[in-house]
Amino acid sequence: GAGVSQSPSNKVTEKGKDVELRCDPISGHTALYWYRQSLGQGLEFLIYFQGNSAPDKSGLPSDRFSAERTGGSVSTLTIQRTQQEDSAVYLCASSLSGTADTQYFGPGTRLTVL
Amino acid sequence: QKEVEQNSGPLSVPEGAIASLNCTYSDRVSQSFFWYRQYSGKSPELIMSIYSNGDKEDGRFTAQLNKASQYVSLLIRDSQPSDSATYLCAVYNNAGNMLTFGGGTRLMVKP
Repeated sequence: GAGVSQSPSNKVTEKGKDVELRCDPISGHTALYWYRQSLGQGLEFLIYFQGNSAPDKSGLPSDRFSAERTGGSVSTLTIQRTQQEDSAVYLCASSLSGTADTQYFGPGTRLTVL
Repeated sequence: QKEVEQNSGPLSVPEGAIASLNCTYSDRVSQSFFWYRQYSGKSPELIMSIYSNGDKEDGRFTAQLNKASQYVSLLIRDSQPSDSATYLCAVYNNAGNMLTFGGGTRLMVKP
């Protein structure tokens, strides 16, 4: 079946602009995760959804970052007033039911803030 | 102190040798451990998961877990150039319902 998809694959924006990143999880997966990976670095956990709710938003780097998930499926990660330090690959993953299930990753969105 | 530690490498091994990748973690109550492989410019893909102390084998890969020492490792037998990638250790945190990743070890298998 189809894997996790993300769009856009690449996004170049100017400092101060808002961007919206989209993730479409594997059908039937109730858990959805957002991570950020800076160049040459490991994965930084941002936020987790179980269904439409996000129990813990403390991983979001600042209040410029927000995320939502509607209908228990597609999720969007919004970054307002982008800064150069926001440049990274944003990865989305989904798993069947959360807990310790295997997470399957999407191809990522490479964000470049000029 | 980082929660999940890995040597960043690069770890260079000749083709056909055994590659040994190591990971330590700080949360003593962690129960689930994962190894992901990430090729340059690609997203991580799961290689193995391990939940119990001891060894778990899958083809050329063996994961080893020692909860008392808070240590998990991945052995790759008969290493191939196609195994060259960054290997990420991930530890599941029950409290936060999240995976915590190490920084990854870059493996280079030379023909």
